[in-house]
Amino acid sequence: DGGITQSPKYLFRKEGQNVTLSCEQNLNHDAMYWYRQDPGQGLRLIYYSQIVNDFQKGDIAEGYSVSREKKESFPLTVTSAQKNPTAFYLCASSTVGEAVEADTQYFGPGTRLTVL
Amino acid sequence: AQTVTQSQPEMSVQEAETVTLSCTYDTSESDYYLFWYKQPPSRQMILVIRQEAYKQQNATENRFSVNFQKAAKSFSLKISDSQLGDAAMYFCAYSNGALNFGKGTSLLVTP
Repeated sequence: DGGITQSPKYLFRKEGQNVTLSCEQNLNHDAMYWYRQDPGQGLRLIYYSQIVNDFQKGDIAEGYSVSREKKESFPLTVTSAQKNPTAFYLCASSTVGEAVEADTQYFGPGTRLTVL
Repeated sequence: AQTVTQSQPEMSVQEAETVTLSCTYDTSESDYYLFWYKQPPSRQMILVIRQEAYKQQNATENRFSVNFQKAAKSFSLKISDSQLGDAAMYFCAYSNGALNFGKGTSLLVTP
């Protein structure tokens, strides 16, 4: 089955630690995205990538880092510089340009990060 | 920056009835996409419906349809024959590359 997987489902971090959230897709999508969701809020964009080895900051990139070494993978690292990292993190992917359904993002199941 | 406003934090509908969720957005672009996503308690974001701004015809997907008013920058979602499984948070989103989300409307479906 084609889709987007995120792991782990739940993640606990001690203050001062970096943690990495995994996102993999087998939809052959060029673009991938990371969003953060806080209680009672919509999603806010952290980083996005439209091509391998290239990515751009979103609205709330401070304290986060990403890499895009493979088309299928877009891991997100939450660094100790992120002051309030407890949130629900969602990864998404889409086609781009003139492709059918360009700009339509499909989401993974999410990772719940809690800082202890 | 584009903003998306959902003015109804909560809505309630009886099973089998029809409900309309409101969404307005602000943009100076002429070519863009609009979406409604559903987020059930599992928190998975599920695409409900997609509208291309250059298409005048309103999108429909089974029991879900939209009323897209481009000049008014309005994009409402109508759910017909509501079912218990429709209970969820519904998010309106605007895209010209990256998605901008509203804060959501919580839909309660009563038997």
